[in-house]
This record gives sequence, C-alpha cells and structure tokens, in this order.
Amino acid sequence: EVQMLESGGGLVQPGGSLRLSCAGSGFTFKDFAMTWVRQAPGKGLEWVSVISGTGDPTYVADSVKGRFTISRDNSKNTVYLLMNSLRAEDTAVFYCAKGLWGSDYDAFDIWGPGTLVTV
Amino acid sequence: SYDLTQPPSVSVSPGQTATITCSGDTLGEKYVSWYQQKPGQSPVLVIYQDTSRPSGISERFSGSNSGNTATLTISGTQAMDEADYHCQTWVSSAVVFGGGTKLTVL
Repeated sequence: EVQMLESGGGLVQPGGSLRLSCAGSGFTFKDFAMTWVRQAPGKGLEWVSVISGTGDPTYVADSVKGRFTISRDNSKNTVYLLMNSLRAEDTAVFYCAKGLWGSDYDAFDIWGPGTLVTV
Repeated sequence: SYDLTQPPSVSVSPGQTATITCSGDTLGEKYVSWYQQKPGQSPVLVIYQDTSRPSGISERFSGSNSGNTATLTISGTQAMDEADYHCQTWVSSAVVFGGGTKLTVL
C-alpha cells in the first residue's frame, strides 16, 4: 500500500525550531516530488514547500522563505521540513504529499494524516 | 503573487449536478487539480491535469479548464460528496491553492 506518514509535530515556543519528517512507503520514493502543505484551524490549504525527486530543485512559499527548509533523504525514503523562527501564525496541521511525477508539481496523489504544530 | 478564487460555498440537492468554479488569470493555460477534503481527514486528489481522474475516483467527478476558469462537476451528487473542495495549480515556481469551497448536499 502506498502511504505517507508525518512525525515531529508538537508544541513549541515562539522563536523556536522544529523538524518534521515524512516517511513514504509502497513506491519508489526517489522517483517522485514531495510537498509540504499546512492548514490552520478552520482555514484552507496553504502550500509551504516542494522538492523534486532528486532533491534539486526546491521551492518555498514567500510566507516561510528564509525560515523553513525542505530536504529529503532518498536512502531513508523520508522528506523533512526544518522550521526555524516559528511564529504563532505558523500553528497548523502540516501535511506531506507525494507528487504524481518527479519534477512536475501540479498534482499530489497521496497525503499523510498530518501532524499538528502549535506555536 | 498568483491568486485562485473559489466560491466559499455551494449547495446542491441529492441527485443533482454540483458545479464548483476556480478562477485565475489565464488559468486555462495551466494544469489544475482538485482535492476533496472531509472534516478531520486529509485531502484526496479527485481530478488532475484538468480532466483526469485517479484510479478509484468515481466517474461522477469530472473537470474542465478554459479561459480563466476551471470547473469541477459532480453529477448525481450524493450525501457522501459533502466536503470541502480545493483547486490547485503550479505557477511561477509556486504551488497555489484556491481558498476552498464547502459543498453542502441539502
């Protein structure tokens, strides 16, 4: 079964840091782009960052640029989101999702259950 | 930055056709995906590349995209289709989501 599973969320003080992880299984991880998307309570989906299957290039939303960094370790089938200088407005459920292709980012077909980050 | 605009809510009677729109500048020149999200659950991809349905998604879901507007159509709407629907595209090195539309099946 193809699935994604996030971990690493929790309660953090403003200005603090957190690293989220997302493990993929049931598919050839290195062949697909990965993205992080967040959803604040009662709000819509907000894109955070995306990374190609090879790990380069990466793209990040303006709202988190300079604070959040996406990376991946294809040997561990895991994508990461390092979040620094966290603010109250970063409070959200963070989802990771698998892209349909390696370096195209117009669709994401497998989503994890999400991990809650509270600042 | 690029904006995608969706109506906040759409209502439909059971068995009727629901239409949800997503508007953006020259959106018809880009690929659009649609996601269904039920309360407390993760999003599910229901349409990609404007008109394609992933395996396992009901044929009642269809999509189109032309000009400045993409449309998700749900035919024979059922109570189980009640959910939030989000459109999404890729433009100017960014993934962009619409604000989401709450579909109510009355």
